[in-house]
Amino acid sequence: DQQVKQNSPSLSVQEGRISILNCDYTNSMFDYFLWYKKYPAEGPTFLISISSIKDKNEDGRFTVFLNKSAKHLSLHIVPSQPGDSAVYFCAASAGNQFYFGTGTSLTVIP
Amino acid sequence: EAQVTQNPRYLITVTGKKLTVTCSQNMNHEYMSWYRQDPGLGLRQIYYSMNVEVTDKGDVPEGYKVSRKEKRNFPLILESPSPNQTSLYFCASSLYGVNQPQHFGDGTRLSIL
Repeated sequence: DQQVKQNSPSLSVQEGRISILNCDYTNSMFDYFLWYKKYPAEGPTFLISISSIKDKNEDGRFTVFLNKSAKHLSLHIVPSQPGDSAVYFCAASAGNQFYFGTGTSLTVIP
Repeated sequence: EAQVTQNPRYLITVTGKKLTVTCSQNMNHEYMSWYRQDPGLGLRQIYYSMNVEVTDKGDVPEGYKVSRKEKRNFPLILESPSPNQTSLYFCASSLYGVNQPQHFGDGTRLSIL
């Protein structure tokens, strides 16, 4: 059973607009959440994270929002750039284990 | 340069022939982990290690072994590979554990015929 779900396999956005990637989870014991970005033929690279005691974390163009009551996580990218085109994975941890979503492929159209 | 290095990057082999995928990190990280990526399933954790000689099962450990004899190395061993282990494998490391960003290798694509 998938404890971390990304229900949108793909997303297309115009350059300069906002990209919103969503993630849902089922395990209320998750205490740390992360977003990774992955280009083809490379490993995932860390983007941004948030602790379960916070509801928002911002780093430049990237903001992660956490809604614990809804068990929902989102990543906002503003403004979107063509170089942001990649697969984005959300991930969550409980204890020493780590769970990834299935990924959302973002295409930013110039 | 800080990095996680996996070898080989690609391997095609046959059912039952033992293989080892090596993973090495140069960042003095305590935590290391192996994942497999399959279409529609994302990345799933196979095994992880909190420190030398300390390893534990992740979500999908069946058919795999690991060892952590030195801090920098964390090999993944398939004693008797089967076709359902055909996948893209990633090794990752972080300073102390999962509540920290992990650095990933570039992946190893295994095909078991």
